[in-house]
Amino acid sequence: DIQMTQSPSSLSASVGDRVTITCRASQAVSNYLAWFQQKPGKAPKSLIYAASTLQSGVPSRFSGSGSGKDFTLTISSLQPEDFATYYCQQYTTYPITFGQGTRLEIK
Amino acid sequence: EVQLVQSGGGLVTPGGSLRLSCAASGFTFSSYSMNWFRQAPGKGLEWVASITISSYIVYVDSVKGRFTISRDNAKNSLYLQMNSLRVEDMAVYYCARDDGSRNFDWWGQGTVVTVSS
Repeated sequence: DIQMTQSPSSLSASVGDRVTITCRASQAVSNYLAWFQQKPGKAPKSLIYAASTLQSGVPSRFSGSGSGKDFTLTISSLQPEDFATYYCQQYTTYPITFGQGTRLEIK
Repeated sequence: EVQLVQSGGGLVTPGGSLRLSCAASGFTFSSYSMNWFRQAPGKGLEWVASITISSYIVYVDSVKGRFTISRDNAKNSLYLQMNSLRVEDMAVYYCARDDGSRNFDWWGQGTVVTVSS
């Protein structure tokens, strides 16, 4: 199975900050990498797929980059509604696997 | 508007069975692969099973032989039959649409499965 490792596991930031979360795969996944946002008690929300393609309706302050084994999710200017947990996911091969999550908290 | 409405969760004793349902609307259900994911209490996300438009099926190893994913295109519905349930199967279960390139773009609201004696 492909292991996905996110860093950091938690992060404190302020409204307006630029934030970057990284995700590393245990083996190359090409660009078959997605990012999800999850708020407490809610279903995950797709933000980015194919490493850098913004899901329809997702604000442009979210961006993704990377290929192979190393990927990043960047939020250019944090908004109050962005405080949540973020997960990366590889889907190059089954089983589809997720990172452990990054909890983004208000400083 | 795309909607995935889940039902069928609940409390079951170890070894018991449950059937989860996911009713789809707002899109042509038969044209999309469908999936189940789960999230144990306080834990991260885990993929459980997928079924393509041609009914090719894949499962995570931990549920093989116990869970069965199926779809009824006439009823626009996805199912997960869960047998021989274990304490470690306790989780919130989510159905999700896949646009064919494993872009999981729409998710159900989740349904809670509790396995306890």
